[in-house]
Amino acid sequence: GQSLEQPSEVTAVEGAIVQINCTYQTSGFYGLSWYQQHDGGAPTFLSYNALDGLEETGRFSSFLSRSDSYGYLLLQELQMKDSASYFCAGIAYSGAGSYQLTFGKGTKLSVIP
Amino acid sequence: DTEVTQTPKHLVMGMTNKKSLKCEQHMGHRAMYWYKQKAKKPPELMFVYSYEKLSINESVPSRFSPECPNSSLLNLHLHALQPEDSALYLCASSQEIHSYEQYFGPGTRLTVT
Repeated sequence: GQSLEQPSEVTAVEGAIVQINCTYQTSGFYGLSWYQQHDGGAPTFLSYNALDGLEETGRFSSFLSRSDSYGYLLLQELQMKDSASYFCAGIAYSGAGSYQLTFGKGTKLSVIP
Repeated sequence: DTEVTQTPKHLVMGMTNKKSLKCEQHMGHRAMYWYKQKAKKPPELMFVYSYEKLSINESVPSRFSPECPNSSLLNLHLHALQPEDSALYLCASSQEIHSYEQYFGPGTRLTVT
C-alpha cells in the first residue's frame, strides 16, 4: 500500500514563495503528482516527477528525491487565487499490470494580503 | 476537448432508491476512474477501468456497481445506499492506466437521506 504525509495547513502572504512538502512510503513507487483543488471544485493536475530533480511549470515547480522518499511543490509569486487544497499523489505499481494513484491528505493553502 | 463531464451535478436519494451517475470523456483516454471524496478529505479510489475492463475494485460495497459501456462512458449504479455514502463522487480519466495525469470531472454531489 501507499502512505503519503503532507502538512494539513499552510498560510503565506501574497507575492511570497511557499513550499509544500510530501513524504511517502510506497512499494512499487512509480512517480509523484501534484493536484490543486479549490473548494467545491474538482482536482486539477499541476505537476509530475518520475525522476529525481526539479520540474518547473510557470509559477509552480515540483521536486522529487527518490532516495529520501520526499518531494515538494513550490509556488512562487503567490496570488490570492492560489488559495486551495494541494494534494500530493503517488503512483505505484499494484500488480497484474495495474497502477494506482493514492492521494495524500492534502494541504490547505491560505494566501493572505 | 479536454473535458470530463458528469451528470447529474447534484443528487438526493433515499436509501431504497436506485440511481445512476454518468461520466463521459472524448479525449480518447483508455483508463477511467471513480473516486469518492468526503468533505476536507482526499479523493479515495473506488474503481478503475482500463480498456473498458475493470482493473481495480478497492473493496467497495456491492451497493455500488460500476459499468463501462464503451471507451467514452463510465457509469456508477447506486442501490440501497446508506447516509454515510453521502459524498462528492468524482470521475477521472487518463491516457493509460499508468499515466500520471488524470483529468477529473466536476463531480456529483450525492446526498442519501
